[in-house]
Parts: sequence; structure tokens; C-alpha cells
Amino acid sequence: GAVVSQHPSRVICKSGTSVKIECRSLDFQATTMFWYRQFPKQSLMLMATSNEGSKATYEQGVEKDKFLINHASLTLSTLTVTSAHPEDSSFYICSARTQGEGSGGYTFGSGTRLTVV
Amino acid sequence: AQSVTQLDSQVPVFEEAPVELRCNYSSSVSVYLFWYVQYPNQGLQLLLKYLSGSTLVKSINGFEAEFNKSQTSFHLRKPSVHISDTAEYFCAVSVSAAGNKLTFGGGTRVLVKP
Repeated sequence: GAVVSQHPSRVICKSGTSVKIECRSLDFQATTMFWYRQFPKQSLMLMATSNEGSKATYEQGVEKDKFLINHASLTLSTLTVTSAHPEDSSFYICSARTQGEGSGGYTFGSGTRLTVV
Repeated sequence: AQSVTQLDSQVPVFEEAPVELRCNYSSSVSVYLFWYVQYPNQGLQLLLKYLSGSTLVKSINGFEAEFNKSQTSFHLRKPSVHISDTAEYFCAVSVSAAGNKLTFGGGTRVLVKP
């Protein structure tokens, strides 16, 4: 089946530095990728939707300059947390649509736990 | 806009007992419905989904869910749980008009006790 590989699985960074999270579709072309944030014991909150070759669409309240999303190819989307602060510590998960609209096909990456110290 | 409510945040259950996780949604248009399972520090895995057709959908590991349009519900059930079913379960909906973005419920933590 479709696989989305997400790296790194865990990262600890110092406050003020930037962190890049990668999601790769291994055996299919992901024209659309979704990025979620999950706080402990809470649900997933959609941050943004990225489409290959175009600018990402951010959800209300998400700072686009802080969470930079790049979807330059059909198999790679990246999320960069710029100038990270402790409040950015969270679990970040990507998801790719694997089939046509309406078919309900979504594959999730394994997540990245970001800790900012 | 659509929304999803999972009525139980935690469900403790004994091994081999049945379990039901409740999910209600609200939407003014037709929806697609999903149940996902999340194990600690992992992404989400699809359990089952309802797109159209038979309102009762089943997964390969014994879970089933029934779409009830009049009740706007999609409750998940398993007749006999295993220790390995301990996880977080998320109900989600997507709407074609909203770009098929998934909207998740708050999640239900299932703790299976021996």
C-alpha cells in the first residue's frame, strides 16, 4: 500500500533555531499533502494544505512565516519551523491524499515529536 | 463547516469484553466518514471508512462501524477486544466541498485491561 515516510521521528532543538521536517511519498505521487499538529492527549489540528508546485494554504491562526511549507515535487513536502520556541513543541504529522477526491484515501506519516529547549 | 464529536475521551474495558466508541458529526452536506487508530508516538492508521453503499463497514481486525444518517452518527464497535487494541481512536469526516480535508474528533483513548 501507499507509504508516507516522515523524518525525523524525534528532534530536540534550541530556542531560536529552525527545524525541517520531511515527508516523502514512497510509491505514489502526492499532489496534495496535509500538515497537522497534535498536542498531548489532544486531537489533530490541520495547519496547512500543500499542493505540488503552488503555495500552501494555511488554516486560520497558523503563522505562515513561522511554519514554512514547501512542496516542490510530487514525492516530497517539507515543513520548516522557523525560530522555534518552547511553545512550538508538539507532535507534527503529515498526510497525503493517495487517491482521487472523494475516494477517501489518506496515508499518514509516522509523526515527528519536536521538543524546543 | 463540519464538526465531529467523540463523546467519550477515555474508555476502560476488560480484555475480551465488547467496546463501543461513539462518534457524532454535523454537516449540512454529505460526508465521508473515517475511523483511525493511533498508537503512542506514531501516525494514524485507517481502521475503516464509509464513502457510500452499505451503511455497515468492517475492518480486517474485527472492528465495525455503522453510518446512521438520521442520527448523524458513525459509532465504532468491537465484540471482543484484545490488549493490543489499547490505543487512541479518532473519528473523522471529510466533505468534498471543503477540499476533502479531514476534520477530526477529539479522540477516545481505549485502555484494555487484562
